[in-house]
Formats: sequence, structure tokens, C-alpha cells
Amino acid sequence: EVQLVESGGGLVQPGSSLKLSCVASGFTFSSYNMHWIRQAPKKGLEWIALIYYDSSNKYYADSVKGRFTISRDNSKNTLYLEMNSLRSEDTAMYYCAKSAFELGPFAYWGQGTLVTVSS
Amino acid sequence: DIVLTQSPATLSVTPGESVSLSCRASQGISTSIHWYQQKSNESPRLLIKYASQSISGIPSRFSGSGSGTDFTLSINRVESEDFSVYYCQQSYSLPTFGAGTKLELK
Repeated sequence: EVQLVESGGGLVQPGSSLKLSCVASGFTFSSYNMHWIRQAPKKGLEWIALIYYDSSNKYYADSVKGRFTISRDNSKNTLYLEMNSLRSEDTAMYYCAKSAFELGPFAYWGQGTLVTVSS
Repeated sequence: DIVLTQSPATLSVTPGESVSLSCRASQGISTSIHWYQQKSNESPRLLIKYASQSISGIPSRFSGSGSGTDFTLSINRVESEDFSVYYCQQSYSLPTFGAGTKLELK
């Protein structure tokens, strides 16, 4: 059974940093592209980052480019999202998701980890 | 970026009705559209991939159609468990989602 378990969320002040993790199981993690998708409270879904199965390519949404970094450790079956210079508008539930192909669809999602940016 | 416009924003129906939800892309995307259902406080669930391909474990009352710029998710005879928010997502270029359609009880 495919499982994705996010962690690392919490309450942080504007301008600070946070690193999220997503531990994968039930599939060959090193063979699949992985994504981060977020959802602000009472809002819709926003794709924010993609990393290829071998880390050869990374792509970001304009809203996070230059501030967020996606990475992975295939030896630990773990996906990461390092978030710097956090803003109030980054407050959201952050999901990791697996896609069978490069850009989707997202057949598997984690339960999410909540990031709140507030002073 | 490819913009996806979903309509209506809210759809009020009674159980047993059949409904159609629309998703329009700002440019042609072939059939690179996928549909998700999100219930309150849950992660999204994939319902339909590549416009019309079914997903294992999803009830057959859900179906999809369309190509190019206009896409439709149809629900045949809505059941009480279907009241939730539905999103479309394109994979023709870097992913984007529509704003969602909320299906609510009339």
C-alpha cells in the first residue's frame, strides 16, 4: 500500500525558515517524480514544486521560486521542502504527492502538514 | 501558465440528480486534464485521469469527457457522499488547478 507521511509543519514567524519532510513507503520511491502541493485555509489547491525521480530536474511555481527548495534522499525514501523567507501568504496545508508521469495526475497524496506563518 | 476556469463555483442539487461540472483551459491541452474530489478535512482523491480514463475503486457514476479546452466531469445520480469540492488539474505544462466547484445539498 502506498503511503506518504508529511511532517515538520508548525507555527513560525514571518521571515523564518522551516523544512518539511515526506516519508514514502509501498512503492519504489527512487523511480517516481514527486511534488509538493499546498492549500491555504478555505482556498483551492496550488502546485508548488516538482523533483524528478533522480533529482536531475526541479521546477517551482513563481510564488515560491527563490525561497523554497525541493530535494529528496532516495536512500531514505524521503522528500523534503526547505522553506525560507516565509510570509503570511505561505500559511497552508502542505501535501506531498506522487505522480506516475512527469506532471500528473496525482494518484497518491499524503495527509498534509500545516504551516502557519504569523507573528 | 495555463489557467483553468471551473464553473459553476457552487452547484446545489438533491440526491438522485445527475450533474455536469465544467473546466475550461486557457489554451488547448489535448486530454491532459484530471479530476479530484476533496471532502472536508481530507486530502484530494483522484477520480478521473486524462479527461475520461477511469480510476480503480472510483464508483462508475463518475465519468469525464472533453478535449482541447473544454472538459466535463459528470456525476450520474448524485449520492449523499458526493457532496464535496471538485478540482480539475492540467498536466500539459507545469501543473495548475482550477478554483474548484462545490457540490452542495439543495
